[in-house]
Amino acid sequence: NAGVTQTPKFQVLKTGQSMTLQCAQDMNHNSMYWYRQDPGMGLRLIYYSASEGTTDKGEVPNGYNVSRLNKREFSLRLESAAPSQTSVYFCASSENSWYSPLHFGNGTRLTVT
Amino acid sequence: AQTVTQSQPEMSVQEAETVTLSCTYDTSESDYYLFWYKQPPSRQMILVIRQEAYKQQNATENRFSVNFQKAAKSFSLKISDSQLGDAAMYFCAYRSGQNSGGSNYKLTFGKGTLLTVNP
Repeated sequence: NAGVTQTPKFQVLKTGQSMTLQCAQDMNHNSMYWYRQDPGMGLRLIYYSASEGTTDKGEVPNGYNVSRLNKREFSLRLESAAPSQTSVYFCASSENSWYSPLHFGNGTRLTVT
Repeated sequence: AQTVTQSQPEMSVQEAETVTLSCTYDTSESDYYLFWYKQPPSRQMILVIRQEAYKQQNATENRFSVNFQKAAKSFSLKISDSQLGDAAMYFCAYRSGQNSGGSNYKLTFGKGTLLTVNP
């Protein structure tokens, strides 16, 4: 029972490089999310997708793009990485239900030098 | 936008004792949902407990319970009989409900409280 799978687990980039964080869920959830976690800041929403084919900006979308490839997959792309994007990134999914919790992947630790 | 405040960056408790983590939120909505998540050193985010705002009865899950004070906009987490495995970062989170105009299911998180359990 995989749940939410994120790849990679760790990544080091140089300033200006690009990369895509992959996320897939096998729970048939409609909604998917990308959060970033920084020390002392909690989790902040980058983008979310309420259904296949739709995406919306969250609290901190600048410098990121997302793609909801299908119901299972939701990727996050950094086009030109900056040191300020050094963070732990979490993908999550949920049912479209008000009481439903978010189910999280194990996170990606990204360092931009 | 709703904000969630966890005023205790760090807390400590002795094993087998009880500890309460505080959470307050700022909202003008009447329909919403509240969650507590635990993040151990493994980085995994684990749901601890959840509460619907229209239910006055406090939620309980084994050793974990909440004190939900709607008028005070407070949602504290009580951990009884603390165990070493309870050591983790704890996050409080808020979700707007449908009757408050909520159109999606995102959660807004507080900054977290780091709980240390001393043997």
